[in-house]
Amino acid sequence: QKEVEQNSGPLSVPEGAIASLNCTYSDRGSQSFFWYRQYSGKSPELIMFIYSNGDKEDGRFTAQLNKASQYVSLLIRDSQPSDSATYLCAVGYGGSQGNLIFGKGTKLSVKP
Amino acid sequence: DGGITQSPKYLFRKEGQNVTLSCEQNLNHDAMYWYRQDPGQGLRLIYYSQIVNDFQKGDIAEGYSVSREKKESFPLTVTSAQKNPTAFYLCASRRGHINQPQHFGDGTRLSIL
Repeated sequence: QKEVEQNSGPLSVPEGAIASLNCTYSDRGSQSFFWYRQYSGKSPELIMFIYSNGDKEDGRFTAQLNKASQYVSLLIRDSQPSDSATYLCAVGYGGSQGNLIFGKGTKLSVKP
Repeated sequence: DGGITQSPKYLFRKEGQNVTLSCEQNLNHDAMYWYRQDPGQGLRLIYYSQIVNDFQKGDIAEGYSVSREKKESFPLTVTSAQKNPTAFYLCASRRGHINQPQHFGDGTRLSIL
């Protein structure tokens, strides 16, 4: 059973702090990793994707991947109240024809 | 503007009724997907299609049907066999290589009358 695990939260951080969101996955053959942001009542929006071990930065967001530990994370620097949302981790599992397994999401709350 | 359009935004189903959710994309993407999201749950794959006239069952296909007669369109029918249809339904599409990200439409919220 292929699984993607996330802490459901809520994760509460003060405005301006770094928010750290974590995700573990079970399939060692996974090759693609995605973070989506989902505001309440809305559809998921792609934030970051990463394929190789290490860090990938885009503005205030950094995705980190460690395939040996089967672990992927998302860091949000200088967190803003507008970052308050549920963050979904999605993993493309090996041989999946592009199919993704989604975690249940971590709810982030940024307090002014 | 290019994008994925889902309609209607809200839909109500009566007992024993089949309903069809529309998904149209003008991104020229080959692959299209249907997901279901229940409160506090991750997205679960219902059906997917890599090319026109071909589609595959996902993890929770029972009680649903799809068609892919055109590249741009991937409608989902929720049949009366689906006993618990109340959920948020999301359509997604993906271009090119299987490792490319999926992008989502705005979703359809289905409820039982």
